[in-house]
Amino acid sequence: DVKVTQSSRYLVKRTGEKVFLECVQDMDHENMFWYRQDPGLGLRLIYFSYDVKMKEKGDIPEGYSVSREKKERFSLILESASTNQTSMYLCASTPRHRGTYNEQFFGPGTRLTVL
Amino acid sequence: AQSVTQLDSQVPVFEEAPVELRCNYSSSVSVYLFWYVQYPNQGLQLLLKYLSGSTLVKGINGFEAEFNKSQTSFHLRKPSVHISDTAEYFCAVNRRDNNNDMRFGAGTRLTVKP
Repeated sequence: DVKVTQSSRYLVKRTGEKVFLECVQDMDHENMFWYRQDPGLGLRLIYFSYDVKMKEKGDIPEGYSVSREKKERFSLILESASTNQTSMYLCASTPRHRGTYNEQFFGPGTRLTVL
Repeated sequence: AQSVTQLDSQVPVFEEAPVELRCNYSSSVSVYLFWYVQYPNQGLQLLLKYLSGSTLVKGINGFEAEFNKSQTSFHLRKPSVHISDTAEYFCAVNRRDNNNDMRFGAGTRLTVKP
């Protein structure tokens, strides 16, 4: 089974802090994604990566950056956390080439609170 | 770009009653369609997906969905719900020609009451 893990389930940070959210997948997937989930808005794509060191902006990249130094790991960075970044953050992965798997596989999520 | 509209933000229903969660999509290209479920404080889990073939798709936990191309809909149904089905449900579409452009609806919160 595909497994996507996220480093923290719950995180509390202060305004202005630098925050790192880590995601690791064990199925050798090329594509990895970071979403934020807010009530009534569904999931919105922040960034995705289609290969090591490659990244593309999603719909809401402002205030975030990402890093992908190894294929299995995709990090989301909040350079200076703000209260409007309080949210649930979800990581997902999928293989590049369509085959048996066409869906995205999700981690358990990190609920971030910025005070 | 494609988009998804989930027509109900909340659906309350009594245990053992049938339920339908509605999803409409818009796209200028062919898409794959998905339903995900999210239990409290968890990530998203795939319920079912439509890729091709039969328009009636069966998924886990007794759920099924029907793809209707003419109405651009992909409604989710279950004939008899359980308390444990209480969760948030997301409809999603993904372009057939691009694996990196999945779009999600805003979600429907299903609450099953005893």
